[in-house]
Amino acid sequence: KNQVEQSPQSLIILEGKNCTLQCNYTVSPFSNLRWYKQDTGRGPVSLTIMTFSENTKSNGRYTATLDADTKQSSLHITASQLSDSASYICVVSPVYGNNRLAFGKGNQVVVIP
Amino acid sequence: KAGVTQTPRYLIKTRGQQVTLSCSPISGHRSVSWYQQTPGQGLQFLFEYFSETQRNKGNFPGRFSGRQFSNSRSEMNVSTLELGDSALYLCASSERPGTSVGTGELFFGEGSRLTVL
Repeated sequence: KNQVEQSPQSLIILEGKNCTLQCNYTVSPFSNLRWYKQDTGRGPVSLTIMTFSENTKSNGRYTATLDADTKQSSLHITASQLSDSASYICVVSPVYGNNRLAFGKGNQVVVIP
Repeated sequence: KAGVTQTPRYLIKTRGQQVTLSCSPISGHRSVSWYQQTPGQGLQFLFEYFSETQRNKGNFPGRFSGRQFSNSRSEMNVSTLELGDSALYLCASSERPGTSVGTGELFFGEGSRLTVL
């Protein structure tokens, strides 16, 4: 079972609308949780990084929240733009040992005019 | 500051061939990690290098290998290519070691898109 599950797998939204992407993880304990944006055919670009003690982090129209008790994170996109069409990847960093970054498979977002 | 540079961006190979991909990290970064990305599996960790030493390795067969040079540039090699090796291969660099476990900010390159026919 994947340690990081993202939902919905894909969604289509109208330009100007808001949307929320979900990330549930089982990695524990963890040091930080990251959200990346990946445009088609490009490499991922970091949007936010939250440590286990942070609840929210914003980057422009992107706001990430973290609930370490329920092991859930969300990424909220406000007033979506066509350029927001991309895959959004949730990544969780473990604390100990030889464990590695746990990647979600991404939320594919398509913004239509 | 220039970003992470990967070459080639696109390549097509046939089964049984071998391929070498190159990654030049951001200047001053000594940690490089490699990932395979496919639509079905998402990003999967291949290996991580820091100061020419392999620090961590993912669960890939021995056909996948890598190395890092003294200038921090890294290469990965895939021998005896199989159809399932078709993927986007991403390289990421960081100032600090342990990028494979998340101790440093990761900066990704644009990737090398490999198609195996």
